[in-house]
Amino acid sequence: DIQMTQSPSFLSASVGDRVTINCKASQNINKYLNWYQQKLGEAPKRLIYNTNNLQTGIPSRFSGSGSGTDYTLTISSLQPEDFATYFCLQHNSFPTFGAGTKLELK
Amino acid sequence: EVQLQESGPGLVKPSQSLSLTCSVTGYSITSNYWGWIRKFPGNKMEWMGYISYSGSTSYNPSLKSRISITRDTSKNQFFLQLNSVTTEDTATYYCARSRRVSDVMDAWGQGASVTVSS
Repeated sequence: DIQMTQSPSFLSASVGDRVTINCKASQNINKYLNWYQQKLGEAPKRLIYNTNNLQTGIPSRFSGSGSGTDYTLTISSLQPEDFATYFCLQHNSFPTFGAGTKLELK
Repeated sequence: EVQLQESGPGLVKPSQSLSLTCSVTGYSITSNYWGWIRKFPGNKMEWMGYISYSGSTSYNPSLKSRISITRDTSKNQFFLQLNSVTTEDTATYYCARSRRVSDVMDAWGQGASVTVSS
């Protein structure tokens, strides 16, 4: 299995901040990396697919980058509705997930 | 717009089978791939498997002896059965659509919480 190490586990930030969340794969995943946002009791929402493709309807303040084993989700200017949990998913081989990052209001 | 909704018993006894239904609206399950994912207490997530547009299946090797994913195209539903459950199968179970092998899990259900306990 490909292991995904996501960091940080928790992140405190303020509205307007720029934040980054990272996922590191145990081997090259060829940019097959998605990012999701999940709020309590809701379905996960795909933000970014295949490293840097913005899902339709997702604000442009969300962006993704990376290659090889290292990938990053960036939120350029936090909005109140962005406080949620974020997780990554690799699908280069059978899918595996990062452990999640809880983004909280400072 | 595609919508997915999980349903099934919230409590299952150890050694029994867990059965869940994913009802899909707004899209035919005879297209694309339809899968199951679970999230354990503590938030670890695990991909369980999928059923394709043609009815073929693929499963997580760690579950292969216990899992079955089937479908009813007339009702636009697909199903998860997990046999011989233990308390370690306690989780929230999600169904999700993948458009193709390179475009996965773009739409999810809200999840169904299942507790395995006697």
